Amino acid sequence: DVKVTQSSRYLVKRTGEKVFLECVQDMDHENMFWYRQDPGLGLRLIYFSYDVKMKEKGDIPEGYSVSREKKERFSLILESASTNQTSMYLCASISLLAGGVRDTQYFGPGTRLTVL
Amino acid sequence: GEDVEQSLFLSVREGDSSVINCTYTDSSSTYLYWYKQEPGAGLQLLTYIFSNMDMKQDQRLTVLLNKKDKHLSLRIADTQTGDSAIYFCAEMDSSYKLIFGSGTRLLVRP
Repeated sequence: DVKVTQSSRYLVKRTGEKVFLECVQDMDHENMFWYRQDPGLGLRLIYFSYDVKMKEKGDIPEGYSVSREKKERFSLILESASTNQTSMYLCASISLLAGGVRDTQYFGPGTRLTVL
Repeated sequence: GEDVEQSLFLSVREGDSSVINCTYTDSSSTYLYWYKQEPGAGLQLLTYIFSNMDMKQDQRLTVLLNKKDKHLSLRIADTQTGDSAIYFCAEMDSSYKLIFGSGTRLLVRP
């Protein structure tokens, strides 16, 4: 019954490494999102995508990039990981056609990234 | 810009009611949401309310919306230890982006 999956639950990387976080959804949703979650700050939007090969910056895009080559997959890339990117990363997808109604907001389980 | 605010922590006894409050700023939001995050898990959509409603009840959950004051609340009746989690209030903007509050950590004491 899993609808949004993320490639890793836990990840440990070193400063300067290139990091790929993968998200896959099986609901044919148009919109996909990457958030990071930090204590006391809630969820902050990094990037989102309306469709294949389309991307938009969210509130905190610095230090990140994304790739959407296929509709079901949305990748978050840290070109050169830094310690301040240690966080929980959550992917989500929704269906544009549903207009944001209930049961269309699906989140993955999250990837806890630690950058040493 | 849009902003959603919540208190950070709430502690209640098992069997009591819990009320989690949220204020938002974007009056054009069509839907407002409550998400639950259990330890080590992603976010689960708990319930939602359409902006033209004042109240929505769903089993033990009651959502109240005061559009004039831009205030949203989630009441959990007969709170159980399994309700211990972080609860996020969220509004959706016109680009289908969710704007989240910082989350309220609910602790249910036996």
